Amino acid sequence: SAVISQKPSRDICQRGTSLTIQCQVDSQVTMMFWYRQQPGQSLTLIATANQGSEATYESGFVIDKFPISRPNLTFSTLTVSNMSPEDSSIYLCSGQGVGGYTFGSGTRLTVV
Amino acid sequence: LAKTTQPISMDSYEGQEVNITCSHNNIATNDYITWYQQFPSQGPRFIIQGYKTKVTNEVASLFIPADRKSSTLSLPRVSLSDTAVYYCLVGDRDSSYKLIFGSGTRLLVRP
Repeated sequence: SAVISQKPSRDICQRGTSLTIQCQVDSQVTMMFWYRQQPGQSLTLIATANQGSEATYESGFVIDKFPISRPNLTFSTLTVSNMSPEDSSIYLCSGQGVGGYTFGSGTRLTVV
Repeated sequence: LAKTTQPISMDSYEGQEVNITCSHNNIATNDYITWYQQFPSQGPRFIIQGYKTKVTNEVASLFIPADRKSSTLSLPRVSLSDTAVYYCLVGDRDSSYKLIFGSGTRLLVRP
């Protein structure tokens, strides 16, 4: 199955700033997904990203806060905008390809 | 999407067989059952997938009764490295469906 490189692996950011997380897949995947995982909690789906169209957001998540890009079938970015301490979490991307679903190793974000 | 229910945590000892049961009463005809494993600071990793009866691979077995309203992940002879969170997911494998994670089962393997 596909391998996903996600970066940065961790970051500490000032409130009010934005952070862009990148996921690079080593093969083409049809769908990509972005999740948030609070420490010790399960994964919560933020949005689904298709190439060439706007991402589809889950309830409670909006494009202004979490803009997503999907310029091609091997790459996607998630931006966490105007950050507050409540945005401190682990963010993961996932891709659905021929071999099934693969996940990146996550970005641990701390907002101070 | 069918909702799943799993035990929050389980304890075991090295060398034992561990069975984790997942309940999915509203599973649809086209839905498959998939289990993922997640270690700390890593993304979830696929373990096994099945539709009915029994599926076995080099890592685990998956038992699914005829009514498919539940499934059991069986890990033979666990080791300390099997300590992780295990998630049961249900969805249609033949369409691009979203993976919706439940609370998962936190398995602790003791020496």
